[in-house]
Amino acid sequence: EAAVTQSPRNKVAVTGGKVTLSCNQTNNHNNMYWYRQDTGHGLRLIHYSYGAGSTEKGDIPDGYKASRPSQENFSLILELATPSQTSVYFCASGDVGWEQYFGPGTRLTVL
Amino acid sequence: AQKVTQTQTSISVVEKTTVTMDCVYETRDSSYFLFWYKQTASGEIVFLIRQDSYKKENATVGHYSLNFQKPKSSIGLIITATQIEDSAVYFCAMREEDTNTGKLTFGDGTVLTVKP
Repeated sequence: EAAVTQSPRNKVAVTGGKVTLSCNQTNNHNNMYWYRQDTGHGLRLIHYSYGAGSTEKGDIPDGYKASRPSQENFSLILELATPSQTSVYFCASGDVGWEQYFGPGTRLTVL
Repeated sequence: AQKVTQTQTSISVVEKTTVTMDCVYETRDSSYFLFWYKQTASGEIVFLIRQDSYKKENATVGHYSLNFQKPKSSIGLIITATQIEDSAVYFCAMREEDTNTGKLTFGDGTVLTVKP
Protein backbone atom coordinates (compact mmCIF):
# COMPACT_ATOMS: atom_id res chain seq x y z
CA GLU A 1 0.00 0.00 0.00
CA ALA A 2 0.98 3.60 -0.60
CA ALA A 3 3.25 5.05 2.05
CA VAL A 4 3.76 8.76 2.64
CA THR A 5 5.38 9.93 5.84
CA GLN A 6 5.85 13.43 7.20
CA SER A 7 8.09 14.94 9.84
CA PRO A 8 7.72 16.50 12.25
CA ARG A 9 4.14 15.67 13.15
CA ASN A 10 3.85 18.71 15.34
CA LYS A 11 5.87 21.91 15.31
CA VAL A 12 5.79 25.12 17.26
CA ALA A 13 7.74 27.96 15.70
CA VAL A 14 8.31 31.62 16.46
CA THR A 15 7.37 34.45 14.16
CA GLY A 16 10.22 35.20 11.78
CA GLY A 17 11.83 31.84 12.26
CA LYS A 18 12.60 29.30 9.53
CA VAL A 19 10.55 26.13 9.36
CA THR A 20 11.16 23.07 7.21
CA LEU A 21 8.55 20.37 6.81
CA SER A 22 9.69 17.09 5.31
CA CYS A 23 7.88 14.45 3.32
CA ASN A 24 8.99 11.04 2.14
CA GLN A 25 7.17 8.63 -0.17
CA THR A 26 7.97 5.03 -1.03
CA ASN A 27 5.44 4.75 -3.86
CA ASN A 28 7.85 5.76 -6.61
CA HIS A 29 5.34 8.37 -7.75
CA ASN A 30 6.60 11.15 -9.95
CA ASN A 31 4.35 13.85 -8.56
CA MET A 32 4.31 15.18 -5.03
CA TYR A 33 2.17 17.90 -3.50
CA TRP A 34 1.98 20.14 -0.43
CA TYR A 35 -1.42 21.27 0.82
CA ARG A 36 -2.57 23.20 3.82
CA GLN A 37 -5.84 22.68 5.62
CA ASP A 38 -7.40 25.35 7.78
CA THR A 39 -10.16 24.61 10.26
CA GLY A 40 -13.45 23.90 8.55
CA HIS A 41 -12.00 23.97 5.07
CA GLY A 42 -10.71 21.70 2.41
CA LEU A 43 -7.14 21.39 1.24
CA ARG A 44 -5.43 24.12 -0.75
CA LEU A 45 -2.40 23.47 -2.92
CA ILE A 46 0.81 25.31 -2.01
CA HIS A 47 3.51 23.73 -4.18
CA TYR A 48 3.93 20.61 -6.24
CA SER A 49 6.64 18.75 -8.10
CA TYR A 50 6.86 16.61 -11.23
CA GLY A 51 10.01 14.87 -10.13
CA ALA A 52 13.45 15.31 -8.62
CA GLY A 53 14.75 18.83 -9.11
CA SER A 54 11.41 20.36 -10.08
CA THR A 55 9.06 22.54 -8.05
CA GLU A 56 6.01 24.46 -9.20
CA LYS A 57 3.76 27.01 -7.57
CA GLY A 58 0.28 25.93 -6.59
CA ASP A 59 -2.68 28.10 -5.75
CA ILE A 60 -1.33 29.72 -2.57
CA PRO A 61 2.50 29.77 -2.83
CA ASP A 62 3.23 33.12 -1.19
CA GLY A 63 5.45 32.77 1.86
CA TYR A 64 6.48 29.21 1.00
CA LYS A 65 9.28 27.54 -0.90
CA ALA A 66 9.66 23.90 -1.86
CA SER A 67 12.52 21.56 -2.57
CA ARG A 68 12.55 18.15 -4.29
CA PRO A 69 16.06 16.75 -3.97
CA SER A 70 15.05 13.21 -4.90
CA GLN A 71 12.15 11.10 -6.13
CA GLU A 72 11.31 10.19 -2.54
CA ASN A 73 11.65 13.50 -0.72
CA PHE A 74 9.78 16.78 -0.94
CA SER A 75 10.20 19.60 1.57
CA LEU A 76 8.18 22.70 2.31
CA ILE A 77 10.12 25.68 3.61
CA LEU A 78 8.84 28.71 5.45
CA GLU A 79 11.74 31.16 5.44
CA LEU A 80 10.04 33.71 7.69
CA ALA A 81 7.14 32.07 9.47
CA THR A 82 4.10 34.16 10.33
CA PRO A 83 1.09 33.40 12.58
CA SER A 84 -1.12 33.26 9.47
CA GLN A 85 0.79 30.14 8.46
CA THR A 86 -0.50 28.28 11.50
CA SER A 87 -2.29 25.33 9.92
CA VAL A 88 -2.16 21.61 9.24
CA TYR A 89 0.05 20.69 6.30
CA PHE A 90 -0.40 17.58 4.21
CA CYS A 91 1.96 16.05 1.73
CA ALA A 92 0.70 13.76 -1.00
CA SER A 93 2.10 11.71 -3.84
CA GLY A 94 0.48 10.41 -6.99
CA ASP A 95 0.85 9.86 -10.69
CA VAL A 96 -1.07 12.02 -13.13
CA GLY A 97 -4.46 10.52 -13.83
CA TRP A 98 -4.62 8.61 -10.61
CA GLU A 99 -5.62 9.33 -7.04
CA GLN A 100 -3.24 10.95 -4.58
CA TYR A 101 -2.05 9.33 -1.38
CA PHE A 102 -1.70 11.55 1.65
CA GLY A 103 0.67 11.65 4.57
CA PRO A 104 -0.55 11.93 8.16
CA GLY A 105 -0.16 15.70 8.31
CA THR A 106 1.96 18.16 10.28
CA ARG A 107 0.34 20.54 12.73
CA LEU A 108 2.26 23.82 12.67
CA THR A 109 1.72 26.58 15.19
CA VAL A 110 3.50 29.89 14.69
CA LEU A 111 3.57 32.05 17.81
CA ALA B 1 -11.01 28.45 -12.78
CA GLN B 2 -12.31 25.21 -11.44
CA LYS B 3 -14.39 25.20 -8.28
CA VAL B 4 -15.87 22.49 -6.09
CA THR B 5 -18.79 23.18 -3.75
CA GLN B 6 -20.16 21.00 -0.99
CA THR B 7 -23.28 22.71 0.32
CA GLN B 8 -23.97 20.33 3.20
CA THR B 9 -21.83 21.35 6.15
CA SER B 10 -22.91 18.41 8.28
CA ILE B 11 -25.21 15.40 8.14
CA SER B 12 -26.36 13.09 10.90
CA VAL B 13 -27.82 9.65 10.22
CA VAL B 14 -28.76 6.53 12.12
CA GLU B 15 -26.56 3.49 11.70
CA LYS B 16 -27.42 1.06 8.88
CA THR B 17 -29.24 3.67 6.82
CA THR B 18 -28.19 5.21 3.49
CA VAL B 19 -26.78 8.70 3.20
CA THR B 20 -26.07 10.88 0.17
CA MET B 21 -23.58 13.74 0.20
CA ASP B 22 -23.78 16.38 -2.50
CA CYS B 23 -21.03 17.97 -4.53
CA VAL B 24 -21.21 20.31 -7.51
CA TYR B 25 -18.29 21.49 -9.57
CA GLU B 26 -17.38 24.07 -12.16
CA THR B 27 -15.02 23.43 -15.04
CA ARG B 28 -14.50 24.51 -18.62
CA ASP B 29 -13.01 21.16 -19.55
CA SER B 30 -14.94 18.45 -21.33
CA SER B 31 -12.84 15.79 -19.65
CA TYR B 32 -12.06 15.68 -15.94
CA PHE B 33 -11.79 13.39 -12.94
CA LEU B 34 -13.76 13.47 -9.70
CA PHE B 35 -12.69 11.99 -6.38
CA TRP B 36 -14.06 11.50 -2.90
CA TYR B 37 -11.80 11.37 0.13
CA LYS B 38 -12.53 10.62 3.77
CA GLN B 39 -10.77 12.33 6.66
CA THR B 40 -11.01 10.44 9.93
CA ALA B 41 -10.99 11.92 13.42
CA SER B 42 -7.27 11.25 13.63
CA GLY B 43 -6.73 13.45 10.59
CA GLU B 44 -5.87 10.67 8.18
CA ILE B 45 -7.03 11.33 4.60
CA VAL B 46 -8.05 8.26 2.66
CA PHE B 47 -9.03 7.94 -0.99
CA LEU B 48 -12.46 6.35 -1.43
CA ILE B 49 -13.68 6.40 -5.01
CA ARG B 50 -13.28 8.18 -8.35
CA GLN B 51 -15.38 8.94 -11.41
CA ASP B 52 -13.94 9.71 -14.84
CA SER B 53 -16.13 12.20 -16.67
CA TYR B 54 -16.19 10.21 -19.90
CA LYS B 55 -17.63 7.14 -18.17
CA LYS B 56 -21.40 6.87 -18.07
CA GLU B 57 -21.51 4.17 -15.43
CA ASN B 58 -21.52 5.29 -11.84
CA ALA B 59 -18.49 4.07 -9.91
CA THR B 60 -18.99 1.67 -7.01
CA VAL B 61 -16.49 0.48 -4.41
CA GLY B 62 -17.72 -1.58 -1.49
CA HIS B 63 -20.54 0.31 0.21
CA TYR B 64 -19.60 3.55 -1.56
CA SER B 65 -21.18 4.54 -4.85
CA LEU B 66 -21.47 7.68 -6.90
CA ASN B 67 -24.41 9.47 -8.49
CA PHE B 68 -22.78 11.24 -11.44
CA GLN B 69 -25.04 13.73 -13.20
CA LYS B 70 -22.86 15.38 -15.81
CA PRO B 71 -25.47 17.84 -17.15
CA LYS B 72 -25.90 19.15 -13.62
CA SER B 73 -22.14 19.12 -12.87
CA SER B 74 -22.94 17.03 -9.85
CA ILE B 75 -21.22 14.07 -8.21
CA GLY B 76 -22.97 12.73 -5.13
CA LEU B 77 -21.45 10.17 -2.78
CA ILE B 78 -23.81 7.47 -1.54
CA ILE B 79 -22.94 5.35 1.47
CA THR B 80 -25.23 2.40 2.05
CA ALA B 81 -25.60 0.48 5.30
CA THR B 82 -23.72 3.14 7.22
CA GLN B 83 -21.59 2.14 10.18
CA ILE B 84 -20.41 4.09 13.20
CA GLU B 85 -16.91 4.11 11.77
CA ASP B 86 -18.14 5.96 8.69
CA SER B 87 -18.30 9.06 10.88
CA ALA B 88 -15.76 11.41 9.32
CA VAL B 89 -15.35 14.42 7.08
CA TYR B 90 -15.88 13.69 3.40
CA PHE B 91 -14.23 15.78 0.71
CA CYS B 92 -15.06 15.99 -2.95
CA ALA B 93 -12.21 16.88 -5.33
CA MET B 94 -11.74 17.46 -9.04
CA ARG B 95 -8.86 17.28 -11.47
CA GLU B 96 -9.06 18.69 -14.96
CA GLU B 97 -7.54 16.60 -17.73
CA ASP B 98 -5.76 19.36 -19.59
CA THR B 99 -3.18 19.69 -16.88
CA ASN B 100 -0.23 17.42 -16.39
CA THR B 101 0.10 18.44 -12.80
CA GLY B 102 -2.49 16.15 -11.29
CA LYS B 103 -3.62 19.14 -9.21
CA LEU B 104 -6.76 18.60 -7.19
CA THR B 105 -9.29 21.24 -6.22
CA PHE B 106 -11.16 20.34 -3.03
CA GLY B 107 -14.52 21.27 -1.59
CA ASP B 108 -14.78 22.36 2.03
CA GLY B 109 -16.08 19.00 3.20
CA THR B 110 -19.19 17.50 4.79
CA VAL B 111 -19.10 16.21 8.36
CA LEU B 112 -20.94 12.91 8.62
CA THR B 113 -22.06 11.64 12.02
CA VAL B 114 -23.44 8.12 12.22
CA LYS B 115 -25.36 7.45 15.41
CA PRO B 116 -26.35 4.09 16.93
